[in-house]
Amino acid sequence: EAQVTQNPRYLITVTGKKLTVTCSQNMNHEYMSWYRQDPGLGLRQIYYSMNVEVTDKGDVPEGYKVSRKEKRNFPLILESPSPNQTSLYFCASSLSASNEQFFGPGTRLTVL
Amino acid sequence: QKEVEQDPGPLSVPEGAIVSLNCTYSNSAFQYFMWYRQYSRKGPELLMYTYSSGNKEDGRFTAQVDKSSKYISLFIRDSQPSDSATYLCAMSSDDMRFGAGTRLTVKP
Repeated sequence: EAQVTQNPRYLITVTGKKLTVTCSQNMNHEYMSWYRQDPGLGLRQIYYSMNVEVTDKGDVPEGYKVSRKEKRNFPLILESPSPNQTSLYFCASSLSASNEQFFGPGTRLTVL
Repeated sequence: QKEVEQDPGPLSVPEGAIVSLNCTYSNSAFQYFMWYRQYSRKGPELLMYTYSSGNKEDGRFTAQVDKSSKYISLFIRDSQPSDSATYLCAMSSDDMRFGAGTRLTVKP
């Protein structure tokens, strides 16, 4: 089954404790992206990757890092999480930036 | 001004009603227009994808694009309780931009 998986689905952590949210897709998509979704603000892009070893900042990259060492994986790293990073995070993949994006199930992160 | 404006609602209609959801945008470079549906506790899923101005119909759903007015719409005919979800418009050229989403409830 074609899908995007994310782990963990739910995470409660404390300020400053490094964490990684994994994302994996099995559709051989070149384009992958991370979004955060907040009430009233919709989906805002954090980082995106056009291909392996190619990543770029989205609209709200501060406080986040990503890597794309393999085509299928695109982890999101929060080196020192803060409460304003409490949000619902979605990973997505697609053939290109303008094509249909396939979303993962989401990761609900709470930073205390 | 945001690149994509979408009324967040919420919108509540009775079963069987015609629903109209709308977005406006400011970037004339957008070429591809999409509607995603997001159920509670799920990721968004593509509902409609259009490239040019005009209408596209798929069952009870019709997507309409007016590039001259920078305005897109999604119409849902004979709405069902199962249509209750958040609907996000999206548009792209080199990258994709999403609207804030409209929360729709269809009451039996």
